[in-house]
Amino acid sequence: AQSVTQLDSQVPVFEEAPVELRCNYSSSVSVYLFWYVQYPNQGLQLLLKYLSGSTLVKGINGFEAEFNKSQTSFHLRKPSVHISDTAEYFCAVSPILSTNDYKLSFGAGTTVTVRA
Amino acid sequence: GAGVSQSPRYKVAKRGQDVALRCDPISGHVSLFWYQQALGQGPEFLTYFQNEAQLDKSGLPSDRFFAERPEGSVSTLKIQRTQQEDSAVYLCASSLDNSQGGEGEKLFFGSGTQLSVL
Repeated sequence: AQSVTQLDSQVPVFEEAPVELRCNYSSSVSVYLFWYVQYPNQGLQLLLKYLSGSTLVKGINGFEAEFNKSQTSFHLRKPSVHISDTAEYFCAVSPILSTNDYKLSFGAGTTVTVRA
Repeated sequence: GAGVSQSPRYKVAKRGQDVALRCDPISGHVSLFWYQQALGQGPEFLTYFQNEAQLDKSGLPSDRFFAERPEGSVSTLKIQRTQQEDSAVYLCASSLDNSQGGEGEKLFFGSGTQLSVL
């Protein structure tokens, strides 16, 4: 089984400032890692995912995340946020090479509020 | 349609009432998933279909929950004798394949149905 912990439930940040959202996971098997974003009244959208290879993953809208296997972390970063980045962000994992690698396990989410 | 469509957007039910939630996936998507998102929590897996076959229903909380996808496209999640703990947002998602491990593979989520049981 897998579990995901998002260490911050709310992150207020000023426009053009950097932001980091922290995610740690626990799993008995290797996992794929994902970040999803949910804008108000919209469905979840994939920001980026780590499958293999380079541990630094670049996604849409200027976001990037770094996989750290030894620390079982997958923190999300953006160097300069915009008001439009105000949303809820979810970290998720799914087991690799498993008959149920379709099954995502999500963290509780981090609400990012960007202020002018 | 262009995306995953869910209806109704909001549903208020009295305790004990049966409800049916509908999901229209993206045309041609083989895989369909239902997730439950309680207030302040992340989505939790309920069930998975590949075409019309329900291959995994391990996440359904009780036998009051039932899902179907009879023709391999539209899916319905039915909850019988609703209880207050069923209050949540129910999310539907679809994808071309079932594995999350494909480079081009992507899961598309609907906006959800918010169920409130009074």
